[in-house]
Amino acid sequence: DTAVSQTPKYLVTQMGNDKSIKCEQNLGHDTMYWYKQDSKKFLKIMFSYNNKELIINETVPNRFSPKSPDKAHLNLHINSLELGDSAVYFCASSQGPAGRWQYFGPGTRLTVT
Amino acid sequence: KNEVEQSPQNLTAQEGEFITINCSYSVGISALHWLQQHPGGGIVSLFMLSSGKKKHGRLIATINIQEKHSSLHITASHPRDSAVYICAVIKPASGSRLTFGEGTQLTVNP
Repeated sequence: DTAVSQTPKYLVTQMGNDKSIKCEQNLGHDTMYWYKQDSKKFLKIMFSYNNKELIINETVPNRFSPKSPDKAHLNLHINSLELGDSAVYFCASSQGPAGRWQYFGPGTRLTVT
Repeated sequence: KNEVEQSPQNLTAQEGEFITINCSYSVGISALHWLQQHPGGGIVSLFMLSSGKKKHGRLIATINIQEKHSSLHITASHPRDSAVYICAVIKPASGSRLTFGEGTQLTVNP
């Protein structure tokens, strides 16, 4: 019974394609996040949703669009993929938007060729 | 310059050694997290601190708010402690946005 799950774990695609990564949490949390870890292993927040409402939107290209159909799900859709989008994307969740213990998903390794 | 700096970047130790990883930050914070990233890539939260000291098993985390510094200590290190340890802070009025350090790669040899 995984707390935060992501699909797929690996994603290899060509430049210009559109792809989605899905995230689900069964912890009953109301806040979910997307983080990007680059090739140097540096983590950076991309988006955060609280109760399906966008509360953090860092400087991320418009090609990235998060969607939260309900509190338990936060998906990330990426249009017109570029080589620089290659990274590991982590989903996480917490209870409350005010900075609490965060639980991370296993990550999705995206490779754009 | 990154708002959160960790040292050292890489650390190699022998099994049984006492290990210290340091984190310094240049901004006001409401909390500080220590995270562990396993060789397989998974990330686990170890501690969340806003003052003082916390202990969990062989891991100890301390924070000095005045000096803007935190340390993560591992006592009696073991090869299974080999991982990347990441410091992250939450700034006031930033919601739950984590600002990360670059991580410390720890290798513990048997």
